[in-house]
Amino acid sequence: AQKVTQAQTEISVVEKEDVTLDCVYETRDTTYYLFWYKQPPSGELVFLIRRNSFDEQNEISGRYSWNFQKSTSSFNFTITASQVVDSAVYFCALRVNTGNQFYFGTGTSLTVIP
Amino acid sequence: DVKVTQSSRYLVKRTGEKVFLECVQDMDHENMFWYRQDPGLGLRLIYFSYDVKMKEKGDIPEGYSVSREKKERFSLILESASTNQTSMYLCASTGVGVAKNIQYFGAGTRLSVL
Repeated sequence: AQKVTQAQTEISVVEKEDVTLDCVYETRDTTYYLFWYKQPPSGELVFLIRRNSFDEQNEISGRYSWNFQKSTSSFNFTITASQVVDSAVYFCALRVNTGNQFYFGTGTSLTVIP
Repeated sequence: DVKVTQSSRYLVKRTGEKVFLECVQDMDHENMFWYRQDPGLGLRLIYFSYDVKMKEKGDIPEGYSVSREKKERFSLILESASTNQTSMYLCASTGVGVAKNIQYFGAGTRLSVL
């Protein structure tokens, strides 16, 4: 069975602070994909990144970076120099190659205080 | 850009009513999904469809049915709405092959059952 855990329910930071959102996943499949989505107050989930299980290279995109570690089954997301526009709910998700279903964590609500 | 459109942003219905939530995607995607989102529970899959007239139950199908008569349209049906179905409903779609790996979401329908 597949499972995604986001232990942080809510995080508040002051603008310009760095913040890391944790994601731990469980699967026995060897081929799988990990995702992060952002849900701003408007409600629509926006795709941020996808990683496959064979690519453990960390990725940086502007102020966003992702750390994928198979040894700890984690796919953490860091926002550097946070901004008020980063306030949203962030979801981590998993899909295994043998299926169509996506498994979502319960989300982390991030509030960036000006 | 992929567009997933949900027919209503807000709906208010009475207990016992039959409710239709409509979702249309414009990218010729094979797979379509219905989720409900509740605080602290994340996104839970209700049903998904991998082709016209094909459907599979997700994690919480009880009290719901779906219809996919055309590739671009996936409807969620509450046969007899109950107050515990008050929630945010999200529709998503994916393609096949590499395109299977990104879910595109609609803006959501917030349903209140009174």
